[in-house]
Amino acid sequence: QKEVEQDPGPLSVPEGAIVSLNCTYSNSAFQYFMWYRQYSRKGPELLMYTYSSGNKEDGRFTAQVDKSSKYISLFIRDSQPSDSATYLCAMSPMDTGRRALTFGSGTRLQVQP
Amino acid sequence: GAGVSQSPSNKVTEKGKDVELRCDPISGHTALYWYRQSLGQGLEFLIYFQGNSAPDKSGLPSDRFSAERTGGSVSTLTIQRTQQEDSAVYLCASSHRDSEVYSNQPQHFGDGTRLSIL
Repeated sequence: QKEVEQDPGPLSVPEGAIVSLNCTYSNSAFQYFMWYRQYSRKGPELLMYTYSSGNKEDGRFTAQVDKSSKYISLFIRDSQPSDSATYLCAMSPMDTGRRALTFGSGTRLQVQP
Repeated sequence: GAGVSQSPSNKVTEKGKDVELRCDPISGHTALYWYRQSLGQGLEFLIYFQGNSAPDKSGLPSDRFSAERTGGSVSTLTIQRTQQEDSAVYLCASSHRDSEVYSNQPQHFGDGTRLSIL
């Protein structure tokens, strides 16, 4: 079993829809949680960065972390065709000696105009 | 400002040859990371540098893989005697020095080097 599980999709939604992307994880040491967006043939672009449990909002994006359930989510409001990409969750422990991010496999999102 | 820069963007080489991949981190970032992204394995950590030293090399898949960083800036990932299973996108990321608020700064990625072994 992988440490981080993410539904690969593809997920297809109409423009303007609310999108919900999710990851579950098994390692209780994870404290830092990130969402990256990756366009084809480009590197991952950091969207959201959160520490421990709670919500964080940035424009149309909201990240939620529920450490008790080992579950994180990214919500995209008023989705646009330009949001079509692969979304990767990533996480790491607080251990300052270990900085490696553990990634989910990515969810491919298609927003239809 | 300038992001993480990687070169070459594409590399095609024959099995058994050595390759060098270069990474220029964001100016002022003290930490540098190498990852590998392949279809079957997703994004995998290879090695982490803080300054010129590498406290975590746990992701290097074999002794054919090595990396160095000089002057606290540019890093080179070297793969010796390449094999077909080395074909992947090699991504570099960098991050700021630790702060009092965050002991684990967010990592920012380059666009990678797409390596193909024939």
